[in-house]
Amino acid sequence: GENVEQHPSTLSVQEGDSAVIKCTYSDSASNYFPWYKQELGKRPQLIIDIRSNVGEKKDQRIAVTLNKTAKHFSLHITETQPEDSAVYFCAREGTYKYIFGTGTRLKVLA
Amino acid sequence: DAGVIQSPRHEVTEMGQEVTLRCKPISGHDYLFWYRQTMMRGLELLIYFNNNVPIDDSGMPEDRFSAKMPNASFSTLKIQPSEPRDSAVYFCASSGGLLDYSGNTIYFGEGSWLTVV
Repeated sequence: GENVEQHPSTLSVQEGDSAVIKCTYSDSASNYFPWYKQELGKRPQLIIDIRSNVGEKKDQRIAVTLNKTAKHFSLHITETQPEDSAVYFCAREGTYKYIFGTGTRLKVLA
Repeated sequence: DAGVIQSPRHEVTEMGQEVTLRCKPISGHDYLFWYRQTMMRGLELLIYFNNNVPIDDSGMPEDRFSAKMPNASFSTLKIQPSEPRDSAVYFCASSGGLLDYSGNTIYFGEGSWLTVV
């Protein structure tokens, strides 16, 4: 199908711990997988993306991994901070459009 | 570039009234998307345009919703008549598609927060 399954729907971690969010998809033609962060009352903003020709990409405390064979990709946030609290959406590029996961509400506890 | 610009940012209207939401995409982007976000349904794609032409409107909930893109720098989403269940945040987004240097990233506007009472 078209949908992207995203888990967990909510995630609470202690400040300084790591957080992992996972998404799965079924369309093997997808080649581009962005992650968006949406703070309360704000718009979704791109934080990191990955293309199908690489397996991992890092940007400071965030990283994304992609397993095309298994059709899943994950967002990893290390050394979490209170400002990481937000809703995170994974997405995949579909046929001329973008399909989003249902979102993960991350709460970093100080 | 100023990014995707939406107006109004907030609107409260009475049931039965017409609502028009406006969007200016990023200059040079040839894809424009309208999304609706609610707690229950998350981010739903309503319709998208390529080069001002509607490509897929299968997400438009019903005939009360319509969208137009008369030129490359302007789009509207209209709800007539509005109902309380239309209350949501409506996001416009744009993408450069295959021509965008960063790939196919889409950029969201700040959203229009609609409340129908």
